[in-house]
Amino acid sequence: QVQLQESGPGLLKPSQTLSLTCTVSGDSISNGGHYWSWIRQRPGKGLEWIGYIYYTGSTSYNPSLKSRLTISVDTSKNQFSLKMSSVTAADTALYFCAREGLELGGMDVWGQGTTVTVSS
Amino acid sequence: NFMLTQPHSVSESPGKTVVISCTRNSGSIATTYVQWFQQRPGSAPTTVIFEDNQRPSGVPDRFSGSIDSSSNSASLTISGLKTEDEADYYCQSYDLTNVVFGGGTKLTVL
Repeated sequence: QVQLQESGPGLLKPSQTLSLTCTVSGDSISNGGHYWSWIRQRPGKGLEWIGYIYYTGSTSYNPSLKSRLTISVDTSKNQFSLKMSSVTAADTALYFCAREGLELGGMDVWGQGTTVTVSS
Repeated sequence: NFMLTQPHSVSESPGKTVVISCTRNSGSIATTYVQWFQQRPGSAPTTVIFEDNQRPSGVPDRFSGSIDSSSNSASLTISGLKTEDEADYYCQSYDLTNVVFGGGTKLTVL
């Protein structure tokens, strides 16, 4: 079955760049059948969409975060990645990657999530 | 841009039926599909309804989704409530190509 696994540093200092990778198994990003998404959840809060990428490299970003974001894809490794610059304590959250249908029918497979804490 | 507004919390007894609403504040609720996610504590969200009213395989038919253009809202109905249904529920839709989540509803089954 399709599985997604997030990885990356769990602790950052303010102003650093957050870098996370999502490794996909059981599906091929280059098949072009899905978007590949990042979503976060601050402690005790709801889900916040970050952005998604298509295998071609085409992206869509949350306008409120766009200036700090880069989402990229490596089809040779079947991975996609998130970079968020100039992090602050407000970026402390559980970060999920997910697979999303092209028909805008939502995310059907989620990773388990990885916690990122921003603290000096 | 639009927002999706959900009640902060709802509670109901086992065996009863609960309806969770998701109201879109601008534009038509019917413009783009609405999805519903269930999130239990410590777990990733899972889909219980996609494309307004479709159930993924494995989701019991106690879960149903609908949209109502007159109130510009979507609803998740859970019948025959079980204690295992206690979770946070999020609606989600699209603003052109941008993803929009509702704020979430905490369902307590007591």
